[in-house]
Amino acid sequence: QVQLQQSGTELVKPASSVKISCKASGYTFTSNYMHWIRQQPGNGLEWIGWIYPGNGNTKYNQKFDGKATLTADKSSSTAYMQLSSLTSEDSAVYFCATELAYWGQGVMVTVSS
Amino acid sequence: DIQMTQSPSFLSASVGDRVTLSCKASQNINKYLAWYQQKLGEAPKLLIYNANSLQTGIPSRFSGSGSGTDFTLTISSLQPEDVATYFCLQHNSWYTFGAGTKLELK
Repeated sequence: QVQLQQSGTELVKPASSVKISCKASGYTFTSNYMHWIRQQPGNGLEWIGWIYPGNGNTKYNQKFDGKATLTADKSSSTAYMQLSSLTSEDSAVYFCATELAYWGQGVMVTVSS
Repeated sequence: DIQMTQSPSFLSASVGDRVTLSCKASQNINKYLAWYQQKLGEAPKLLIYNANSLQTGIPSRFSGSGSGTDFTLTISSLQPEDVATYFCLQHNSWYTFGAGTKLELK
């Protein structure tokens, strides 16, 4: 069955960067889009972008252009999202989701000094 | 940008009730709409895709309808395990989620 296993909770300092992972199993990693979504505390869901692991193509929500960088490692069926220049506004839960059908469990990122 | 408006924001209903949730798009999105259920502390779960197709493994009491700008998610007989927040998502032009409807038991 399709599974997406995300990395653990992150506590990071303002102005730093963080890279979170999403390990896929149970389907052909290279043939399906991997999306990333943000959910801020008490708020709804925002689409960040997608990556197509087969060729590395990416598409970003303009709001996250320059904030998020999506990559994928075909050899380990793992997708990554790096968030840079972090501020308290970036504190949120971040989900990966293949084809927006199957979701990882989410990673809580807290930005605090 | 396409905006998605869900109503109501909160809904209280009894077990066995027929429940209807609404999602309206600011412009035509054809049938490129999905519905998700999110329980507290969990990831969203896909219920309906392409406006009216039931995702594998989802109980048949869930159904979706609509096209263009107006969409509905119906739960034919509310069960206790259906307490959750429900989101719609349009993927006709980029991707936009609605703000959600929080469903509680009366």
